Amino acid sequence: DVKVTQSSRYLVKRTGEKVFLECVQDMDHENMFWYRQDPGLGLRLIYFSYDVKMKEKGDIPEGYSVSREKKERFSLILESASTNQTSMYLCASRKWGGLQETQYFGPGTRLLVL
Amino acid sequence: AQKVTQAQTEISVVEKEDVTLDCVYETRDTTYYLFWYKQPPSGELVFLIRRNSFDEQNEISGRYSWNFQKSTSSFNFTITASQVVDSAVYFCALEGFTGGGNKLTFGTGTQLKVEL
Repeated sequence: DVKVTQSSRYLVKRTGEKVFLECVQDMDHENMFWYRQDPGLGLRLIYFSYDVKMKEKGDIPEGYSVSREKKERFSLILESASTNQTSMYLCASRKWGGLQETQYFGPGTRLLVL
Repeated sequence: AQKVTQAQTEISVVEKEDVTLDCVYETRDTTYYLFWYKQPPSGELVFLIRRNSFDEQNEISGRYSWNFQKSTSSFNFTITASQVVDSAVYFCALEGFTGGGNKLTFGTGTQLKVEL
């Protein structure tokens, strides 16, 4: 079974703090993704990574950056957290192969920025 | 542009009732994939099904069934004899080559509540 884990289920941070959200997958998947989920908006793609050290912006990259130094790990960084970044963050991974492969999701991190 | 519409924000049913969750999509791609995911209260999205645009056969898996109709751009999901454990948010999603083929476009989700 595919296993995607996220470092924290719940996080509380203060405005202006630098925040790191970690995601690890154990299936040697090349592609990894970060989404945020907000009520009434569904899931929106922040960043994705084709492979190690490669990254592409998604629909809402502003205020975020990412790091992929190892294949199994994909980090989302909030350089200076703001209250409008309070959200549920979901990580996903997928085997290389594009459309015919399925994205598998982690349990999510609920981030509250005060 | 790709778009997925789940017009039903919330549905409440009594256990053992059948329920259908609607999904309508828009895409200019001729090759694309449609997905359904379940998100229980724990938060993790659980993959349910993937269907490609060339396969319009309906699919049944236990109490779950899916009806894909390209003519109406719909990919509806039916749960037969619903159970309390089916209570969750259900997302329909679409992925096509638009945007490089690495972007799932999600609907806004349908909250299903199954009561005793």
